[in-house]
Amino acid sequence: QQQVKQSPQSLIVQKGGIPIINCAYENTAFDYFPWYQQFPGKGPALLIAIRPDVSEKKEGRFTISFNKSAKQFSLHIMDSQPGDSATYFCAARGNTGFQKLVFGTGTRLLVSP
Amino acid sequence: EAEVAQSPRYKITEKSQAVAFWCDPISGHATLYWYRQILGQGPELLVQFQDESVVDDSQLPKDRFSAERLKGVDSTLKIQPAELGDSAMYLCASSLDRVEEQYFGPGTRLTVT
Repeated sequence: QQQVKQSPQSLIVQKGGIPIINCAYENTAFDYFPWYQQFPGKGPALLIAIRPDVSEKKEGRFTISFNKSAKQFSLHIMDSQPGDSATYFCAARGNTGFQKLVFGTGTRLLVSP
Repeated sequence: EAEVAQSPRYKITEKSQAVAFWCDPISGHATLYWYRQILGQGPELLVQFQDESVVDDSQLPKDRFSAERLKGVDSTLKIQPAELGDSAMYLCASSLDRVEEQYFGPGTRLTVT
């Protein structure tokens, strides 16, 4: 119940395409859903985060869509660039009680020129 | 921009030896986290400190791993004795408090031979 399931495992898109990465969770106590971007040899960096009181959040070319009833959320990268090639992790955390940040298994994105 | 510092960046050690990692969080961050990231997986929390106190070490293999944050600032994670299965990236993160955004350091890549 504390897991976050992430798909796909890997993704290849052409420059300008819109990769979509999906995550699903079971624990209804989760109320904070961040996405992290990780380049090889580096630590994860917070990209964008959403709370369940909104269905969508945009920051630059990155958008999170959130479906509370389905317990699913997704990351969309608009006008993807080769520099976006990285591994993306979704995560989830509760506000009270279970406050541990639980990560998905990651999606390796390759944006071809 | 303030960053989480970790050292060493890379460590190769033989099985049964002792190894230690150091983390210096962002100044003023009360919460410090140690994560282990196995290649191809998301980070998994090992231990969480609030100031100098451990608030979650449920996933820390206490027979061989230890962590301390004596003055509530920097922290050390130790493994003794190291095993082959400990080969992973060890990430440190910090946040203002336990419900705020986590900022990750660059990690220590441990290889046990």
